[in-house]
Amino acid sequence: QQKVQQSPESLTVSEGAMASLNCTFSDGTSNNFRWYRQHSAKGLEVLVSIFSDGEKEEGRFTAHLNRANLHVSLHIREPQPSDSAVYLCAVSDTGYQNFYFGKGTSLTVIP
Amino acid sequence: VTLLEQNPRWRLVPRGQAVNLRCILKNSQYPWMSWYQQDLQKQLQWLFTLRSPGDKEVKSLPGADYLATRVTDTELRLQVANMSQGRTLYCTCRAWTGGNTGQLYFGEGSKLTVL
Repeated sequence: QQKVQQSPESLTVSEGAMASLNCTFSDGTSNNFRWYRQHSAKGLEVLVSIFSDGEKEEGRFTAHLNRANLHVSLHIREPQPSDSAVYLCAVSDTGYQNFYFGKGTSLTVIP
Repeated sequence: VTLLEQNPRWRLVPRGQAVNLRCILKNSQYPWMSWYQQDLQKQLQWLFTLRSPGDKEVKSLPGADYLATRVTDTELRLQVANMSQGRTLYCTCRAWTGGNTGQLYFGEGSKLTVL
């Protein structure tokens, strides 16, 4: 079973500065990694899905995956106050059916 | 259009009572349906994935017991019982087309609070 850990637990950045979030996992055989965010009382919004080592960009969100280092990161370019939310890292099992989540990073973007 | 509709969105649960949740899929192109639970600390935990109508599974975790049923191709149910007093829990439905790069969506969740 994947163990997924995220850091930092909380992060405050100024509007326009880069925000970087980290996620480590325990089993490098997975090839399905997703970053989600969740605003209070709202559902999960998928940001980036990445399936192989390297970089994947979706708008202002870029994920970097390095399975050898058991690490996937999310970088948010030019964050805005509306990006303030909890960001969740999800790693699938090898059957791709089920995802294991980290506890999240609470991001606050100040104007 | 919301792909997944969950109801109820919020329920106060008297101690000792079970509650039934429904998840309705608006597009049958997502055959794999799952339930996840999420506590107040925001930790999401997978509960079940059911593929075919008639599939059922039970699971007992600290703080609650669960029974999931795939009723039809577009409906998934979850019965939550024996919740710990004072606990608040979110149950979220997920739909997935299948395959490693398949489309995957989560519902907005149902919030359960035990009196």
